[in-house]
Amino acid sequence: DSGVTQTPKHLITATGQRVTLRCSPRSGDLSVYWYQQSLDQGLQFLIQYYNGEERAKGNILERFSAQQFPDLHSELNLSSLELGDSALYFCASSPPRTSGDTQYFGPGTRLTVL
Amino acid sequence: DQQVKQNSPSLSVQEGRISILNCDYTNSMFDYFLWYKKYPAEGPTFLISISSIKDKNEDGRFTVFLNKSAKHLSLHIVPSQPGDSAVYFCAASALYTGNQFYFGTGTSLTVIP
Repeated sequence: DSGVTQTPKHLITATGQRVTLRCSPRSGDLSVYWYQQSLDQGLQFLIQYYNGEERAKGNILERFSAQQFPDLHSELNLSSLELGDSALYFCASSPPRTSGDTQYFGPGTRLTVL
Repeated sequence: DQQVKQNSPSLSVQEGRISILNCDYTNSMFDYFLWYKKYPAEGPTFLISISSIKDKNEDGRFTVFLNKSAKHLSLHIVPSQPGDSAVYFCAASALYTGNQFYFGTGTSLTVIP
């Protein structure tokens, strides 16, 4: 158990809909990262938040948005869903970087768009 | 543009032998490298890391080697055990990118009993 929790574990929805994925980081971690893993793909970095502020953006579509709340949990919002958005979405958290650090991953949310 | 590449999608090794997983990167600014292990239906789990100031880091059966001139790193598992069967991802980061991790596409390791 990494200490990072994600809900829901599975999500099935239809094209055009909007969903929200939730992540709670490890205690004490200020950074939260979101990744997408499509079939046979590596982990594609979407976005990073640090202590409530957006820190870095990766290959995140405009239909997707995220935020980190004062209690440090984060939500990833996916809207106008398309079939190609079906994937595993992982959240990770990390402590402040010193000499190098590690990202700890949650179990993921499997999104299926029908 | 894939900055971290794992060119072998799969690898099969006999139990007790050495498993060698390879990873190449293109960005010379990367200064921190990690290996993650992933079982089906679980999130990736951190395995071992190495800073660019080192060329080797060892943790039990796992050793990571870094060749900066070749922009190449490898993970050695000795001896390999059936429980090591999983997908292994390498990742790289650079301090100037705010610790954004770039992941390879993974290598699926099967250790045959």
